[in-house]
Amino acid sequence: QLVLTQSPSASASLGASVKLTCTLSSGHSSYAIAWHQQQPEKGPRYLMKLNSDGSHSKGDGIPDRFSGSSSGAERYLTISSLQSEDEADYYCQTWGTGVWVFGGGTKLTVL
Amino acid sequence: QVTLRESGPALVKPTQTLTLTCTFSGFSLSTSGMCVSWIRQPPGKALEWLALIDWDDDKYYSTSLKTRLTISKDTSKNQVVLTMTNMDPVDTATYYCARIIRREGAFDYWGQGTLVTVSS
Repeated sequence: QLVLTQSPSASASLGASVKLTCTLSSGHSSYAIAWHQQQPEKGPRYLMKLNSDGSHSKGDGIPDRFSGSSSGAERYLTISSLQSEDEADYYCQTWGTGVWVFGGGTKLTVL
Repeated sequence: QVTLRESGPALVKPTQTLTLTCTFSGFSLSTSGMCVSWIRQPPGKALEWLALIDWDDDKYYSTSLKTRLTISKDTSKNQVVLTMTNMDPVDTATYYCARIIRREGAFDYWGQGTLVTVSS
């Protein structure tokens, strides 16, 4: 079964960097994922598509501060030079044959 | 410029059928590879994929909700409609539509969402 696992919460200081993790279920380590940001009281915003080799393509207008990387079944979103507006929920998403799946989301707090 | 906008009732009663419309612009669902999907988010909870329709009129549904969902498209109006039968208070959520380019797999443009409350 295709499942994505995310830590419920993360925190980092203003101006620092943070690395969020999304883990693919067993047998699905070659799958690409996407990262989405959801700021408080807003709809989701597509950040990037991240492949198993770490290559990624970003959505329109996504700053260079957002980057992705991969290792095995883990997919990472790194946000550098954290700003207050980065405080949001971050969801990973993947897809299989006729199915699309979201992780449970990580709530990022910027201290 | 790609935009999507959801519309539908803000309040439905238990057992009623919900009908939501996604009106989009900036792309055509008659173009090969284009898809529109519905996703929902109960208050304070995670996103949940519901259904997808593609340019070829192929339809895909969440396994857990398959018996209650119907997705359809009107290419001439640039609209995708989702119906959900037998609504229950647990279906209270913000409902989003989003675009996917099939070969990409990621939802790359989202609507702003519409909150649907199920209550008598």
